[in-house]
Amino acid sequence: SAVISQKPSRDICQRGTSLTIQCQVDSQVTMMFWYRQQPGQSLTLIATANQGSEATYESGFVIDKFPISRPNLTFSTLTVSNMSPEDSSIYLCSVGDIGFYGYTFGSGTRLTVV
Amino acid sequence: LAKTTQPISMDSYEGQEVNITCSHNNIATNDYITWYQQFPSQGPRFIIQGYKTKVTNEVASLFIPADRKSSTLSLPRVSLSDTAVYYCLVGGVENTDKLIFGTGTRLQVFP
Repeated sequence: SAVISQKPSRDICQRGTSLTIQCQVDSQVTMMFWYRQQPGQSLTLIATANQGSEATYESGFVIDKFPISRPNLTFSTLTVSNMSPEDSSIYLCSVGDIGFYGYTFGSGTRLTVV
Repeated sequence: LAKTTQPISMDSYEGQEVNITCSHNNIATNDYITWYQQFPSQGPRFIIQGYKTKVTNEVASLFIPADRKSSTLSLPRVSLSDTAVYYCLVGGVENTDKLIFGTGTRLQVFP
């Protein structure tokens, strides 16, 4: 299965600022997914990032708040913009592709907004 | 996408067998059933996947009845390190569809 490197692993940010999270995969993948996991909760899908096209956002998530880049088949970034304390969560990227045995997840970015 | 329903939490003791059942009444013909395990401060990890009947690997067994409207993850002889959240998901085996997570089952193993 794929190996994902997600950075940063954690950060503490001031409200009103932005943070960009990077997700690097060791192989080319078609689909990359970004999730948010609030403390004690399940994972909520933010968006699906397909290389060469704009990301597809789930209900409740908008591009202005969570812009996503997918410049190639091994890399993606998620930016959390104009942060507020409500954005404090763990953000995870995930990849899946034909031939993979299940989806692979990054270790997550623990974001605290103060 | 089929919705899944699982117990919110379960308790067990070391050495016992744990069975976690998941309901997925609206599973589609081409959907597979996949279970993931998540430890604190880590991303979910793939455990097992199946389509029908029984699947077994070195970690767990997955039992799927003929109607496929439910599935049971069986963990033999759990240890403290099996304390985690377990998620049941259904979807295509091509792994290009988005995954929608349910609540998961929080398993606590006691000594």
